[in-house]
Amino acid sequence: DAMVIQNPRYQVTQFGKPVTLSCSQTLNHNVMYWYQQKSSQAPKLLFHYYDKDFNNEADTPDNFQSRRPNTSFCFLDIRSPGLGDAAMYLCATSSPGTGFETQYFGPGTRLLVL
Amino acid sequence: GNSVTQMEGPVTLSEEAFLTINCTYTATGYPSLFWYVQYPGEGLQLLLKATKADDKGSNKGFEATYRKETTSFHLEKGSVQVSDSAVYFCALSEARLTFGEGTQLTVNP
Repeated sequence: DAMVIQNPRYQVTQFGKPVTLSCSQTLNHNVMYWYQQKSSQAPKLLFHYYDKDFNNEADTPDNFQSRRPNTSFCFLDIRSPGLGDAAMYLCATSSPGTGFETQYFGPGTRLLVL
Repeated sequence: GNSVTQMEGPVTLSEEAFLTINCTYTATGYPSLFWYVQYPGEGLQLLLKATKADDKGSNKGFEATYRKETTSFHLEKGSVQVSDSAVYFCALSEARLTFGEGTQLTVNP
């Protein structure tokens, strides 16, 4: 089945230690998104890629970076995680074929910062 | 700007009860509307969507009708099950997804 895959499902890191979260998709969608979701809140968009074009949200901290080496993969890098960065991180995709507005989400990676 | 307002939770129902979760929106144009469901510890799953006024989205017994005149997209299900316990997010899309705050639903046996 075509899908959005996130690894790992749970990630533990130490305060200030760089961490990378991974997302891959078999949907061949043009757009890939990263969201941060804190407990009991709505997801917050961090940034997205349209093909290789990177689009950062104005209020996304510089501590968060992203890479998209090819259509299938997208990475979220947190350069110096703080305790406030503990959250669920969700990857999503969309494409012109889905009308762009329909986004398909992965299962998420829950990040714990010690 | 765009916004989505959802009925406050948590909502607790008994199995086989009727469910309504209210959702209203504010948008500058003609957005598509969505309901996403999030089970504990999981990502968001698309539950249903509607792309224009008077469209009805439906899936797994859930329904919602895009009402432009009342700017609403209320989620309904005639008979809930314990397995429907989750957080439900209403969202609109107009260049980007705007989510409501989510409504926690708990269904007791």
